[in-house]
Amino acid sequence: GAVVSQHPSWVICKSGTSVKIECRSLDFQATTMFWYRQFPKQSLMLMATSNEGSKATYEQGVEKDKFLINHASLTLSTLTVTSAHPEDSSFYICSARESLATTGELFFGEGSRLTVL
Amino acid sequence: AQSVAQPEDQVNVAEGNPLTVKCTYSVSGNPYLFWYVQYPNRGLQFLLKYITGDNLVKGSYGFEAEFNKSQTSFHLKKPSALVSDSALYFCAVRDMAAGNKLTFGGGTRVLVKP
Repeated sequence: GAVVSQHPSWVICKSGTSVKIECRSLDFQATTMFWYRQFPKQSLMLMATSNEGSKATYEQGVEKDKFLINHASLTLSTLTVTSAHPEDSSFYICSARESLATTGELFFGEGSRLTVL
Repeated sequence: AQSVAQPEDQVNVAEGNPLTVKCTYSVSGNPYLFWYVQYPNRGLQFLLKYITGDNLVKGSYGFEAEFNKSQTSFHLKKPSALVSDSALYFCAVRDMAAGNKLTFGGGTRVLVKP
């Protein structure tokens, strides 16, 4: 199956700093990528839909100024957690679907665990 | 709005016994249904999907799922569970009438005991 690479896998930062997480589709092009957040022992919560070359679409309740998403190319989307606080600590997962595979499954990155001190 | 329900938080099964993980869904249009598995501190791995065609879908690692339109269910099954199948399983639905969004169930933790 297609591979989605997410980096970094683990990050620890101080409160007030910003953290960038990268999501890359390694062997396919993805006009759309999705960013999820997962709390311990809970399901995935869709944060936003990242669209190549345009603004991301955020889910209700997700602060767009807090979670900046940039989808600059067909293989790369980034999520920046700005001015991070301890409550932002979570497991962030990205996913992507091949652009032409309208009925295809999503492929997920390995996730990034953010810990804000 | 689309939704997915996984009624069991955890399923315990002895190794070698059949495994079933339940999933029901609600969509306004035709559903695309998926099962994913997640191991600790890892992303999700795709197991199988139902788009159209045969109601019984076979997937990775010996898993299969049966689409039942009348009961709006898509239960995941494996005839003989392995200890290595212990993980968190997610059912997901994509309503083609609602665009690209994939909605996940709450997840079911499977514990296979030797």
